[in-house]
Amino acid sequence: QSALTQPASVSGSPGQSITISCTGTSSDVGGYNYVSWYQQHPGKAPKLIIYEVSNRPSGVSNRFSGSKSGNTASLTISGLQAEDEANYYCSSYTTSSTLGLIFGGGTKLTVL
Amino acid sequence: QVQLQESGPGLVKPSETLSLTCTVSGGSVSSEYYYWSWIRQPPGKGLEWIGYVYYIGRTSHNPSLKSRVTMSVDTSKNQFSLNLSSVTAADTAVYYCARVSGPGIAVYHDQWGQGTLVTVSS
Repeated sequence: QSALTQPASVSGSPGQSITISCTGTSSDVGGYNYVSWYQQHPGKAPKLIIYEVSNRPSGVSNRFSGSKSGNTASLTISGLQAEDEANYYCSSYTTSSTLGLIFGGGTKLTVL
Repeated sequence: QVQLQESGPGLVKPSETLSLTCTVSGGSVSSEYYYWSWIRQPPGKGLEWIGYVYYIGRTSHNPSLKSRVTMSVDTSKNQFSLNLSSVTAADTAVYYCARVSGPGIAVYHDQWGQGTLVTVSS
């Protein structure tokens, strides 16, 4: 069960938009609309920011949005703010090897 | 708002069994709507799903951990637990417990514990 593929790092200036990709296979990202995204600040637990590809939990800013095309899901953050600097992880339901969940390797977002 | 809290030894010797418990408050582990999950994060690295358990005892775990993982639910104490046997230094990580939600199946972690660091060392 290999991790989903994310870029190691992305960066952007305040006010700009950035997109983080998450690539899997037809057994996970491509096969189901069950991709979720998590934000993790240093020393803190991850926080759910997107579920089922494009849904935002209550209280999460609408600057965060998600989408999917084929085997690749994407997280877009618009109007970048300093507080968005964090690590971001995608996750998907998977039927590869076993029924369960899989995470991406994580992407470090730097706000310049 | 449901809260989760991990507890257990912070230091485990190589070849021994790592045992952690997650206590749930503000919600019930007996709920049919949720699964209960364990995730770990080695220092400076990414998240790895370990497995999840349902209140009736049904489990699923990451195949990379082979048969080392055992999970259970104690509805009387509103807790769920993880045992990871034959640990090595590679099992050193922050271990998180979390609630898993979804449309009838377990697909996203919506509530997390604060995490607990477990170090494997003699």
